[in-house]
Amino acid sequence: GQNIDQPTEMTATEGAIVQINCTYQTSGFNGLFWYQQHAGEAPTFLSYNVLDGLEEKGRFSSFLSRSKGYSYLLLKELQMKDSASYLCAVLDSNYQLIWGAGTKLIIKP
Amino acid sequence: GAVVSQHPSRVICKSGTSVKIECRSLDFQATTMFWYRQFPKKSLMLMATSNEGSKATYEQGVEKDKFLINHASLTLSTLTVTSAHPEDSSFYICSARDSSGDYNEQFFGPGTRLTVL
Repeated sequence: GQNIDQPTEMTATEGAIVQINCTYQTSGFNGLFWYQQHAGEAPTFLSYNVLDGLEEKGRFSSFLSRSKGYSYLLLKELQMKDSASYLCAVLDSNYQLIWGAGTKLIIKP
Repeated sequence: GAVVSQHPSRVICKSGTSVKIECRSLDFQATTMFWYRQFPKKSLMLMATSNEGSKATYEQGVEKDKFLINHASLTLSTLTVTSAHPEDSSFYICSARDSSGDYNEQFFGPGTRLTVL
């Protein structure tokens, strides 16, 4: 079956760095997405990786290793507004998004 | 970026009534739209894939006669929850795929919170 694993919850301090990991086992791979979702709102796009390596976009970076079925989202200089759920999703061979359960990130002052 | 609107944002209805939710891609054409359901503190659950001009593809366990989907144009898909019951109360989110984009990104609507009394 298809499976996406990510931690349920993480806590970090304002101004610090946090890394949210995601491992996946899917039927085919056409890319991995990270989305941010605040409570009661729809997800918003953060990043997309289809090749191995690190993609940097401002305070957020995303890494992919296809051979290991592994990705992480790195958030730097954490701000209180970064408190949200972060969803990892893989585009499978049918171009269907397979979703992880999300990681709730709590930022403390 | 591409914008997807969803209407209504909130709806409260009585048990047994039907509710229609609209999903529109505002500045791009979407041959494929997706309908998701999300329970509190849970991830998105794909209900169905809506293709313009053809029947929707429903995920296992989703009743197609209860959740009617119509994708009549390249910018509009509708989800009708028929004979709604309290257990249908949930957050419904649509997304649209911009097939002209570089990587089949899905753009999400703001969601519709349905409460069935």
